[in-house]
Formats: sequence, C-alpha cells, structure tokens
Amino acid sequence: GQQLNQSPQSMFIQEGEDVSMNCTSSSIFNTWLWYKQDPGEGPVLLIALYKAGELTSNGRLTAQFGITRKDSFLNISASIPSDVGIYFCAGRLAGGTSYGKLTFGQGTILTVHP
Amino acid sequence: DAGVTQSPTHLIKTRGQHVTLRCSPISGHKSVSWYQQVLGQGPQFIFQYYEKEERGRGNFPDRFSARQFPNYSSELNVNALLLGDSALYLCASSLDKPGLAAETQYFGPGTRLLVL
Repeated sequence: GQQLNQSPQSMFIQEGEDVSMNCTSSSIFNTWLWYKQDPGEGPVLLIALYKAGELTSNGRLTAQFGITRKDSFLNISASIPSDVGIYFCAGRLAGGTSYGKLTFGQGTILTVHP
Repeated sequence: DAGVTQSPTHLIKTRGQHVTLRCSPISGHKSVSWYQQVLGQGPQFIFQYYEKEERGRGNFPDRFSARQFPNYSSELNVNALLLGDSALYLCASSLDKPGLAAETQYFGPGTRLLVL
C-alpha cells in the first residue's frame, strides 16, 4: 500500500547533538503528524501540522509541513537519553475517500549515547 | 483523563482460530480507527468507524471485520488466523469527524497478537 519514505532508517548520536529526520511522498498530503513510539507502547503524538509551510515547535522539537505538501521534517535539538525511541511520520492524503486514514512512514530508530 | 484503552494486552492463538480485540476511546471521542503494526514497520490502516458507521477500510482481507458500539467502543475481529497476522494491533480515537484536516488521532498501547 501507499507508504511514506522516511529517512534515515536509524541514527546513533551523542547526547546534546541535534537530530533531523524527514518524510517524502509522491502524493499530496493535507495533514502531517509526527509520533514517537517506545517499545511495547502505542505511538504518542508529538506534533501535528495542518497547512503547507507551517512550522511548529513543541519544546525541543520542531517540525515543518513542506510547501509542496509532499514532505515534512522533524528536528530535535540538544538530544537527551529519553529521546531514544522510534519516530514515525504520518500523513493524511488529500482528496479521495481516505477519510481519516493515516499513512505511516517506516520509522527512524534513534539511539542517544550519554 | 484516561487515554485510549485496549484489551487484552497480549494474546496467543493458533492458526485457524478467530480473535476479538477491544478498544475504548478517549471520553468524548466518537471516531475509532484500527491499525496493524508488523515488527519493524509503521502501522497499516485497517478500519475507521465514526458514529457506529464504517467510514474507511484499508487493504485487508474479509477475514478482518470490526464494529462500533453505541458507547463508541469498538471490536476488531479476525477469523481464520494466519501466521502473518501476528502483529501489534493499535486502536486510535479522535474527536473530530473523519476527513477533517484537523482530525488528530490518539493511539492506545496496542494488543500484541502471536499466531502459532
């Protein structure tokens, strides 16, 4: 089925470093969401984006909805050990009958070394 | 306030059996969606229900079915289980009507199903 291309697949960084990850698609999305998932848990919403060009922050996290509506990125500044986890982008396709269906990327596994 | 709750947390079944998974949405939320997450991948959309009606269906076989009750809780049923059905099944609830740009889905902890 439709998938978002999320990169990188994994990251190994030192505590205090900044992190950047992104998602791209060949289709247009009208909503972009970023989730974090810890082992054995469900995804937790980090940031929601609803308009092309929108830049939104949540503490040390910043995400942007691409102008073309086909991409989004997430930045984490000054990483800390509790940032460890799997980060997913998710989008809602524009038009059609997809209603509330979210399409997810493959995830970025983040490891932070103290 | 309680978040999305799911039961059971873990389940082991054998091939050919059927399974029923349950979900209670956040209080006040009328929309429930189901996703399947295979190990190492992102969640895949199965169904969405709003006001007890199916509003969306993903690319899953007819062995998968769901329903939503008057209290907005939901059940996901899977018949004739296959080994490939082993996954984390996630339920998400949202306040808004499906398709609204501002609809935001909140996920439960999931039910981990193992088919032997």
